[in-house]
Amino acid sequence: EAGVAQSPRYKIIEKRQSVAFWCNPISGHATLYWYQQILGQGPKLLIQFQNNGVVDDSQLPKDRFSAERLKGVDSTLKIQPAKLEDSAVYLCASSLDAGGSGTGGAGYGYTFGSGTRLTVV
Amino acid sequence: GIQVEQSPPDLILQEGANSTLRCNFSDSVNNLQWFHQNPWGQLINLFYIPSGTKQNGRLSATTVATERYSLLYISSSQTTDSGVYFCAVDSGSYQLTFGKGTKLSVIP
Repeated sequence: EAGVAQSPRYKIIEKRQSVAFWCNPISGHATLYWYQQILGQGPKLLIQFQNNGVVDDSQLPKDRFSAERLKGVDSTLKIQPAKLEDSAVYLCASSLDAGGSGTGGAGYGYTFGSGTRLTVV
Repeated sequence: GIQVEQSPPDLILQEGANSTLRCNFSDSVNNLQWFHQNPWGQLINLFYIPSGTKQNGRLSATTVATERYSLLYISSSQTTDSGVYFCAVDSGSYQLTFGKGTKLSVIP
């Protein structure tokens, strides 16, 4: 099956500019997540969607970040205006069920995209 | 929130050596997963293991939920095993909390 698709792969912008990232999850996966991974750290959840509804956006800096998932499939994450500390890799993940466990074997459950590496200068 | 600590932070191995990575977590969990992030940044799900032991080729994992830790064993390491290994847990909110990872370098 096709994996989680993300674009662009890389983006360099100046501070105060805006940027948008796109994610296409695995077909049939109801749950979609956006994670932020700062260099040297583990990914941190920004927002979780179940179909096209927001389950949790408590860690999303809503003064500058926004996200939507139209028709319960693709999702976009936007930053406006960007700050230097937003430099990170933005990872999209999807799972078949909210728990992401499935049958529990390796390669099942959460599936991550390749990420978008954002550099704010 | 739940805390996840991984050790060691860095590990350098000669090809063919074995290693054990550890993950401690501060609360009971519904889900624990091990991921490998390769040098190109791709996160690969290795194991879903909230309890018990599983094996997949040269990799195996054990989680002792009552003592709040998990171990990832890598045997006969290869250069392709290099990267960062993350432990991530879900305490019931269906969201993963990641540790800071163990950076593994396997040298030929």
